[in-house]
Amino acid sequence: GIQVEQSPPDLILQEGANSTLRCNFSDSVNNLQWFHQNPWGQLINLFYIPSGTKQNGRLSATTVATERYSLLYISSSQTTDSGVYFCAVERDRGYSSASKIIFGSGTRLSIRP
Amino acid sequence: NAGVTQTPKFQVLKTGQSMTLQCAQDMNHEYMSWYRQDPGMGLRLIHYSVGAGITDQGEVPNGYNVSRSTTEDFPLRLLSAAPSQTSVYFCASSYEVLPDGEAFFGQGTRLTVV
Repeated sequence: GIQVEQSPPDLILQEGANSTLRCNFSDSVNNLQWFHQNPWGQLINLFYIPSGTKQNGRLSATTVATERYSLLYISSSQTTDSGVYFCAVERDRGYSSASKIIFGSGTRLSIRP
Repeated sequence: NAGVTQTPKFQVLKTGQSMTLQCAQDMNHEYMSWYRQDPGMGLRLIHYSVGAGITDQGEVPNGYNVSRSTTEDFPLRLLSAAPSQTSVYFCASSYEVLPDGEAFFGQGTRLTVV
């Protein structure tokens, strides 16, 4: 099946720093999403981005589908950005296939005040 | 529009007990699915449904049953709980038709089996 790898696994930064999180996937995908799991366990949609670039405030994401990777940028980090960031892809949506969202193992981000 | 609602948020079971985790969505999504998240890992798919009356197994289906009698509801049943089922469970839903396939997740159910 498709493999989703995220890097780095852990990242510790000072407040105000910028960061880039990477997601590589081993096959073509239909969907790609970035999620933030906050310290209380909630999964929050950040971007639905199967291709191209999107921005939302201090966060932006770029997916280059032809090269099978996506990047999540966080600028001017705040302590509330702490948590685990997951990349999730979906390979196929056909009824007869094992359509499913496959998650990477996440990047744990810790922002120190 | 409440999105995806899961109940309960927390549950403690004894080994061998049964229970049902509830999931409901009000977005008229065709696709619904259940995931479990174990410490240090991403989410793994348990079961999913592509519409009312249609369900299928995911990556880790053993010990779990599902049914989809309505578009809105997708309950997950544990028939005989085991300590290995201690985990955080997430329900998700999304539209069927691409490219609008963005998935929305519930707030999770933290289950402990003792």
